[in-house]
Amino acid sequence: EVQLVESGGGLVQPGGSLRLSCAASGFTFNTYSMNWVRQAPGKGLEWIAYISSSSSTIFYAASVQDRFTISRDNAGNSLYLQMDSLRAEDTAVYYCARDPFSSGWGDQWGQGTLVTVSS
Amino acid sequence: DIQVTQSPSSVSASVGDRVTITCRASQGISKNLAWYQQKPGKAPKLLIHSASTLQSGVPSRFSGSGSGTDFTLTINSLQPEDFATYYCQLPNSFPAFGGGTRVEIK
Repeated sequence: EVQLVESGGGLVQPGGSLRLSCAASGFTFNTYSMNWVRQAPGKGLEWIAYISSSSSTIFYAASVQDRFTISRDNAGNSLYLQMDSLRAEDTAVYYCARDPFSSGWGDQWGQGTLVTVSS
Repeated sequence: DIQVTQSPSSVSASVGDRVTITCRASQGISKNLAWYQQKPGKAPKLLIHSASTLQSGVPSRFSGSGSGTDFTLTINSLQPEDFATYYCQLPNSFPAFGGGTRVEIK
């Protein structure tokens, strides 16, 4: 069974940093691209970052470019999102999603982890 | 960047109705569009990719069509479990989501 489990969310002050993790199991992690998608409370979905299976290709949404860093550890079956210079508008549920299409789409999703940026 | 406009933002329908949701891309994207369903408090579920390919396990009452700039998600014979919010998504390197369509009970 495919499982994606996000962790690392919580309350952080504006300007602070947080690192999210996504533990993958039930599939060959190193053959899939991965994405991070977020959803602010009561709002729609926002794609924020993509990483190819080998980490050779990475894309970011303009809203997080230069502040967030996506990475992966294929040996450890894990995906990461380093979030720096956090703002109130980064408050959201953050999802990781498996991408068999290498297109930014997700066929399997985690349950999400909530990040709250507030003083 | 390519933009995507999804409409309507909400629709009221009854069980058994046919519902149609559209997405328009600001530039041609061939058949590179995906559709998702999301229920409150849950992660999105992929319904359709590549404009018209039904994801495994998704009921056949869901269908997608279109290419270029105009795309449609159709739900035939709406079922109680279909009341949810639906999103379209462009492909990378601009995989933006549409604004969403909430399908509500009439």
